[in-house]
Amino acid sequence: LAKTTQPISMDSYEGQEVNITCSHNNIATNDYITWYQQFPSQGPRFIIQGYKTKVTNEVASLFIPADRKSSTLSLPRVSLSDTAVYYCLVGRSNDYKLSFGAGTTVTVRA
Amino acid sequence: NAGVTQTPKFRVLKTGQSMTLLCAQDMNHEYMYWYRQDPGMGLRLIHYSVGEGTTAKGEVPDGYNVSRLKKQNFLLGLESAAPSQTSVYFCASDSGLSNQPQHFGDGTRLSIL
Repeated sequence: LAKTTQPISMDSYEGQEVNITCSHNNIATNDYITWYQQFPSQGPRFIIQGYKTKVTNEVASLFIPADRKSSTLSLPRVSLSDTAVYYCLVGRSNDYKLSFGAGTTVTVRA
Repeated sequence: NAGVTQTPKFRVLKTGQSMTLLCAQDMNHEYMYWYRQDPGMGLRLIHYSVGEGTTAKGEVPDGYNVSRLKKQNFLLGLESAAPSQTSVYFCASDSGLSNQPQHFGDGTRLSIL
């Protein structure tokens, strides 16, 4: 099971871009990289998933270098409502051994 | 468009009491999971199920039992509640197909006095 390392916390201001990097040195060939977002008093919510290169959706972008040993979640022009905990997971999505670490607490200030 | 529904949302128990947490999903998902989340920590897997009638232990199964009698429901039981089981419990489900994300409920906040 690939272990992930991500910063404990990050601060930002409204309108800025937030980039969270996750390290996963022992990622396996079949593993995907998935990010979840969790607001207080709610369950985690899927935001983006990728295997290699770049993936973009209406919420975020995910950048994955060729060696796949790390990935960066990019949140463009954050607002106060983006304050949340962001989790990086590595594995197959149907791998019931997926591990949610402590995540990265992103605090957006006015 | 309910997704994953957990009941109850809040509960206070006394040590030694028993209770059952209910999780229901309306997405016809094969896989279901129970996690607990403690302050400042991520989610830890308690038990999971890969189909109706099957269950398996996760990372922290002690003190809990589960049942999956119907595909859409996954029950988590505490036979004799202990203060160490005070936590927020999350249920999740997914299709079991590769690359499909988990869908989570909004949690049950359980306090054991």
